[in-house]
Amino acid sequence: GENVEQHPSTLSVQEGDSAVIKCTYSDSASNYFPWYKQELGKRPQLIIDIRSNVGEKKDQRIAVTLNKTAKHFSLHITETQPEDSAVYFCAATTTDSWGKLQFGAGTQVVVTP
Amino acid sequence: DTAVSQTPKYLVTQMGNDKSIKCEQNLGHDTMYWYKQDSKKFLKIMFSYNNKELIINETVPNRFSPKSPDKAHLNLHINSLELGDSAVYFCASSPGTGGSSGNTIYFGEGSWLTVV
Repeated sequence: GENVEQHPSTLSVQEGDSAVIKCTYSDSASNYFPWYKQELGKRPQLIIDIRSNVGEKKDQRIAVTLNKTAKHFSLHITETQPEDSAVYFCAATTTDSWGKLQFGAGTQVVVTP
Repeated sequence: DTAVSQTPKYLVTQMGNDKSIKCEQNLGHDTMYWYKQDSKKFLKIMFSYNNKELIINETVPNRFSPKSPDKAHLNLHINSLELGDSAVYFCASSPGTGGSSGNTIYFGEGSWLTVV
């Protein structure tokens, strides 16, 4: 089955700096890679996703890149703000696996003013 | 309106008890899930139902029994609760199985279960 590894487990950045979270996956059939943000005591919420026919996707200050050959994908947050502080999860799945998302272990991001 | 709603939000109960968590989605989605988030924040799928049919059943103890009376509801019943069952349980739903509908999964607000 799919195995997703996520690094780092914690990330502390100064407000205004960039944050990068990296994930690797094991199943070459995986073709859908969402990222979720979970604030303390809240539900995980989708912030961006990418499919395997695309190498990069941007949405304002966040971007995701995918390298299918190396089987890794990354989340980039630019101009970080205190409200970006949360746990971020990467995930991977195949589109015919009934949405069985395999999550990474999460990255606690702390943005200090 | 809350898209995926689950009750109760907090549940404290004694070992050995039986409890249920209810979940409803008003998004018209075909697929619903139960995920468990442990104390280390790790999110792991437990069950998945598509149009009331069980699709995914991970290695979950048979003390956990999901029930889907219709495609908008997926309830979770837990028998003989153990200390290790303490976790946050998230209900979720998605439009379908993939292809053009994608696998975007929408989570409920979570049910915090504490077994004492």
